[in-house]
Amino acid sequence: DTEVTQTPKHLVMGMTNKKSLKCEQHMGHRAMYWYKQKAKKPPELMFVYSYEKLSINESVPSRFSPECPNSSLLNLHLHALQPEDSALYLCASSQAGQIDTQYFGPGTRLTVL
Amino acid sequence: KQEVTQIPAALSVPEGENLVLNCSFTDSAIYNLQWFRQDPGKGLTSLLLIQSSQREQTSGRLNASLDKSSGRSTLYIAASQPGDSATYLCAPGKAAGNKLTFGGGTRVLVKP
Repeated sequence: DTEVTQTPKHLVMGMTNKKSLKCEQHMGHRAMYWYKQKAKKPPELMFVYSYEKLSINESVPSRFSPECPNSSLLNLHLHALQPEDSALYLCASSQAGQIDTQYFGPGTRLTVL
Repeated sequence: KQEVTQIPAALSVPEGENLVLNCSFTDSAIYNLQWFRQDPGKGLTSLLLIQSSQREQTSGRLNASLDKSSGRSTLYIAASQPGDSATYLCAPGKAAGNKLTFGGGTRVLVKP
């Protein structure tokens, strides 16, 4: 099973709200990723977790706060977002190696009003 | 900083034709390169991964080549079908964190 699940599928939030995105995989992967994809643009890496530790933060604003509670679960906490943060947020996972295929979830479509 | 270019940006072919999608990247110090397809509003589906030591990788009607020294990869799709219509993205990967940098994609339309 090469499935990565993400919830919710769609999220609409105001600029003062706090919300969280959830990503889950049961493939035994030890690396997990968050990407942001704006309309008609390629995905851009935000964060990488390896063995539940944050290994890469691509200078993402602090209004985005990642969390990896265990090896199967990855969260992205959102607070005080801006309308320009509206995008498709994609989660991926892979074996924690340098040459491993990344498997993507279906994404969460976020709209910030 | 890695820059990835995909040409053409869009491609329309009749069913049955072979597809050739090109990807070029500026930093040849990569560990792998992945090809993905993305349907509108959906996530990415991994098609092929080529390790930096490989020249070619095949899966069914798909064949991807890699020339790391010249910073190029090509995805060939044989005997295209309407179901192949999607955007195809290439992404070379660096060692640290298996970090992928995506190209802008090639939007493919296969007409019945």
